Amino acid sequence: NAGVTQTPKFQVLKTGQSMTLQCAQDMNHEYMSWYRQDPGMGLRLIHYSVGAGITDQGEVPNGYNVSRSTTEDFPLRLLSAAPSQTSVYFCASSYSFGGVAKNIQYFGAGTRLSVL
Amino acid sequence: GQQLNQSPQSMFIQEGEDVSMNCTSSSIFNTWLWYKQDPGEGPVLLIALYKAGELTSNGRLTAQFGITRKDSFLNISASIPSDVGIYFCAGRQGGSEKLVFGKGTKLTVNP
Repeated sequence: NAGVTQTPKFQVLKTGQSMTLQCAQDMNHEYMSWYRQDPGMGLRLIHYSVGAGITDQGEVPNGYNVSRSTTEDFPLRLLSAAPSQTSVYFCASSYSFGGVAKNIQYFGAGTRLSVL
Repeated sequence: GQQLNQSPQSMFIQEGEDVSMNCTSSSIFNTWLWYKQDPGEGPVLLIALYKAGELTSNGRLTAQFGITRKDSFLNISASIPSDVGIYFCAGRQGGSEKLVFGKGTKLTVNP
């Protein structure tokens, strides 16, 4: 009963380093999303995917890349980390049913990233 | 981008008191969701609303989908210490799978 699993839970990077935040879900959900959460800003959408092979940009996509090669996985890549990317990152997945997109999003526990 | 205005930003209440918070927008939404986030955790869905005027309860929590489709309300009755956390509203517009989130209401309950 894993749901949405994010790894790592914590990460410290130096400016310019690259890394990949992993997200996996075992609920066979079509939709997956990445958000970042900053104090007082709520959750802001970075990238999302409506299915394997399909991705699109959200509200704050700059500095991040995504791909969706399988239904289960949706990694988020930082190619050259910057201090402005210090944040808590959440992955979410959701489904639609009954011919109506209910789109209830289930969240992982988050990755806390610091860029020095 | 689209924004949801969530208020109040924070609340400090005594155990046993009722709590009300709301979320408003200048645009129409087809779905309203309310989430709670505990410290160090991801948001967890509390209530989902799909029709204008809909009133839905989950234990001591009650949420309503405003009849104008531009707002939603969440009430918590008889608060307890474990209600502490950040409450987020989220809305989805027609034809979009994306959710827009409010900035959250931080609730503190004093025993």
